[in-house]
Amino acid sequence: SQQGEEDPQALSIQEGENATMNCSYKTSINNLQWYRQNSGRGLVHLILIRSNEREKHSGRLRVTLDTSKKSSSLLITASRAADTASYFCATDAKGNDYKLSFGAGTTVTVRA
Amino acid sequence: DGGITQSPKYLFRKEGQNVTLSCEQNLNHDAMYWYRQDPGQGLRLIYYSQIVNDFQKGDIAEGYSVSREKKESFPLTVTSAQKNPTAFYLCASSSRLAGGTDTQYFGPGTRLTVL
Repeated sequence: SQQGEEDPQALSIQEGENATMNCSYKTSINNLQWYRQNSGRGLVHLILIRSNEREKHSGRLRVTLDTSKKSSSLLITASRAADTASYFCATDAKGNDYKLSFGAGTTVTVRA
Repeated sequence: DGGITQSPKYLFRKEGQNVTLSCEQNLNHDAMYWYRQDPGQGLRLIYYSQIVNDFQKGDIAEGYSVSREKKESFPLTVTSAQKNPTAFYLCASSSRLAGGTDTQYFGPGTRLTVL
């Protein structure tokens, strides 16, 4: 079952702008992960944030996690055309037997 | 070169046929997964395996079968019982963290079309 839900479904921004997308989930988690998928390709892992962490950075990516609100956000700063892709959050629910539940994704288009 | 490979990239199936999708990894990961992705949607789990000779059904296992005879390999068979098999199929593998699921590494996918 899909636990995570991303918002918005689609986002179009100008190159150089920041892109923010959100993920909400329903049950307690061990960790939350963000992945990127270019059209017609496999997913690529971006960042993993554990339930006891509140914020994590990796290059131009910033992820926050609020377990009290059961939500996470992914911020991409200074976007580039190469950031055009779909972004998925995936939750590792407690007691869920080493499985990830993926949301439907946010499609980001970066205009040159 | 470490990674996870899937073959074929494109596969066409006639109605009533069984087809098998290949997935191989050389990352020494214990866990392997099969997902199905339909246009504009997220990933749905078909089957997963945490160790050789053992596997469990995911959320949409009906019409599919798997085997895990070797650590490196986790083939998926789409049987004629799967009524709507046209989709993009993704295989993934991961190690196991204490108390959680580690990063999953994905193959490039197989696009299956029923003719």
